[in-house]
Amino acid sequence: DQQVKQNSPSLSVQEGRISILNCDYTNSMFDYFLWYKKYPAEGPTFLISISSIKDKNEDGRFTVFLNKSAKHLSLHIVPSQPGDSAVYFCAARLSTDKLIFGTGTRLQVFP
Amino acid sequence: DAGITQSPRHKVTETGTPVTLRCHQTENHRYMYWYRQDPGHGLRLIHYSYGVKDTDKGEVSDGYSVSRSKTEDFLLTLESATSSQTSVYFCAIKQVEGYGYTFGSGTRLTVV
Repeated sequence: DQQVKQNSPSLSVQEGRISILNCDYTNSMFDYFLWYKKYPAEGPTFLISISSIKDKNEDGRFTVFLNKSAKHLSLHIVPSQPGDSAVYFCAARLSTDKLIFGTGTRLQVFP
Repeated sequence: DAGITQSPRHKVTETGTPVTLRCHQTENHRYMYWYRQDPGHGLRLIHYSYGVKDTDKGEVSDGYSVSRSKTEDFLLTLESATSSQTSVYFCAIKQVEGYGYTFGSGTRLTVV
């Protein structure tokens, strides 16, 4: 059973516009949510996170929104840049120090 | 750089043979993890360790075993490799600050 879901396998956005990546989860015991970015032939790298007691966290061009009632979070990238083209994974933390990852969304930013 | 190294980077092996992948860290982190990445499945946890000789199973542990005899090394063994274990394997360590992990560069394993 997939506890963390990213229903869009891919997204294509024009440079300078907003990219919105979505993630849904089922387990209300998750206490922290993270986004990771992955380039080909590299390991995932941490991007931004949010505690379950917050509804928004911002870091430069990246903002994560959490809607606990809907069990939904989203990552906004504004403005999108070609270097943002990568696979983005949503992850959720259980108190047992395990991260559960989603299936990933491939973002392509074109000129 | 968190000082995490995976070896080998690439390996091709035959069905039925045992294979061991190594993860080495230089920063004395307590928690270490093995994930596999497959299309349509994202990253799935195989096994993890919370200290020397302390390990536990993840979501997809069947066919895999791990060992951690030293803080710095976490080994993943495929006891008898199958084609379904063809994947990219990532090791990760839990960061001291915050709740994130730092990942290694991955091992691409092909079982033929």
